[in-house]
Amino acid sequence: QVTLRESGPALVKPTQTLTLTCTFSGFSLSTSGMCVSWIRQPPGKALEWLALIDWDDDKYYSTSLKTRLTISKDTSKNQVVLTMTNMDPVDTATYYCARAPVDSSGLPYYFDYWGQGTLVTVSS
Amino acid sequence: DIQMTQSPSSLSASVGDRVTITCQASQDISNYLNWYQQKPGKAPKLLIYDASNLETGVPSRFSGSGSGTDFTFTISSLQPEDIATYYCQQYDNLPPIFGPGTKVDIK
Repeated sequence: QVTLRESGPALVKPTQTLTLTCTFSGFSLSTSGMCVSWIRQPPGKALEWLALIDWDDDKYYSTSLKTRLTISKDTSKNQVVLTMTNMDPVDTATYYCARAPVDSSGLPYYFDYWGQGTLVTVSS
Repeated sequence: DIQMTQSPSSLSASVGDRVTITCQASQDISNYLNWYQQKPGKAPKLLIYDASNLETGVPSRFSGSGSGTDFTFTISSLQPEDIATYYCQQYDNLPPIFGPGTKVDIK
């Protein structure tokens, strides 16, 4: 069965770089038509999509955050890594990774499997 | 980026009531719209894709409709386990934007 699990630090200081890892099983990111996204949710607020990487190593980023984000994958380890630079207290959120099949236009179709999320707090 | 709005932002209804949530896109997204349910402390769960297709295993009391810019999500008979926040999400264009959510409570 498909599972995803996020891991990373629970607490980071302002200006630091956050590195999160999504470790998944039950599918392969070398399979055509699949992608993994990162999505975050500040406490009590809505979901915000951050980035995706697909089976072909194409990468897409949030318009507002693209200068701070880098997404990569290690297909042999079934992992996707997200780095976010220059962390600020407003980046405090639960960070999710999620799988999506990619439609014929190359766009993520729907997020059908999600990790449990990892809460990251930004504070000095 | 496409903007998504939802209304209402929250609602309270009685068990057995019909509940309707609307979602509006800032431009035509055809039927490229999904609906998710998120219970407190949990990850979102896909309920409906392509505006009206029920995900496997999701109860039939959930339904969706619409195309273009205006969409509707309906719970035909609200159950206690449906207490959650519901989000729409467009995938017509990148980035895949989520709506602000509608919190559903039991009256």
